[in-house]
Amino acid sequence: QVQLQESGPGLVKPSGTLSLTCVVSGGSISSNNWWSWVRQPPGKGLEWIGEIYHTGSTYYNPSLKTRVTISVDKSKNQFSLKLSSVTAADTAVYYCASLTIFGVVQYFDYWGLGTLVTVSS
Amino acid sequence: DIQMTQSPSSVSASVGDRVTITCRASQGLSSWLAWYQQKPGKAPKLLIYAASSLQSGVPSRFSGSGSGTDFTLTISSLQPEDFATYYCQQAYIFPRTFGQGTKLEIK
Repeated sequence: QVQLQESGPGLVKPSGTLSLTCVVSGGSISSNNWWSWVRQPPGKGLEWIGEIYHTGSTYYNPSLKTRVTISVDKSKNQFSLKLSSVTAADTAVYYCASLTIFGVVQYFDYWGLGTLVTVSS
Repeated sequence: DIQMTQSPSSVSASVGDRVTITCRASQGLSSWLAWYQQKPGKAPKLLIYAASSLQSGVPSRFSGSGSGTDFTLTISSLQPEDFATYYCQQAYIFPRTFGQGTKLEIK
């Protein structure tokens, strides 16, 4: 069974860059899955940030596209998120998740535990 | 973007009750919709995919239906562990979008 674990600083200063890594265990990042980041501001709903395939192909949420970079490191079986120019509105629990094809469409089937990132000076 | 609207935003029910949550999309999704359950402090859990397919390991009291723009999640007989927040999510087109959530509370 695939397991995902997020890591990174829990506090980022305004205008800085948020950087998180998600380590994948129990499966290969080079499998036929896509790997995604989803965030959830405190007390609010879920927002898809973007996703990556092991070849490096990416899709980003247009609302964040100018500030987001998702990358993959196959040698370490992990993928990463960078979000630049952060503000307090970026304070959220950040989840990494895998997207598996069910039939012809992908759904989020495995999730990390989530990590809270607070943007504050 | 496709807007996903869930109703109600919250519902109170008792153990053993039948509960239905509705999700409406701003444009047609065919059957490309999922339902997730989230408990406080935990990650979401996939319950239903492709509108009506039960994810492995999910109890059969959960069921989904619908296509196009209108979808429902039904819990046939509520159990104590079902009190949580439920989200729908469209998988039809980028960007992937979620409903605002429905909080299921104990009456």
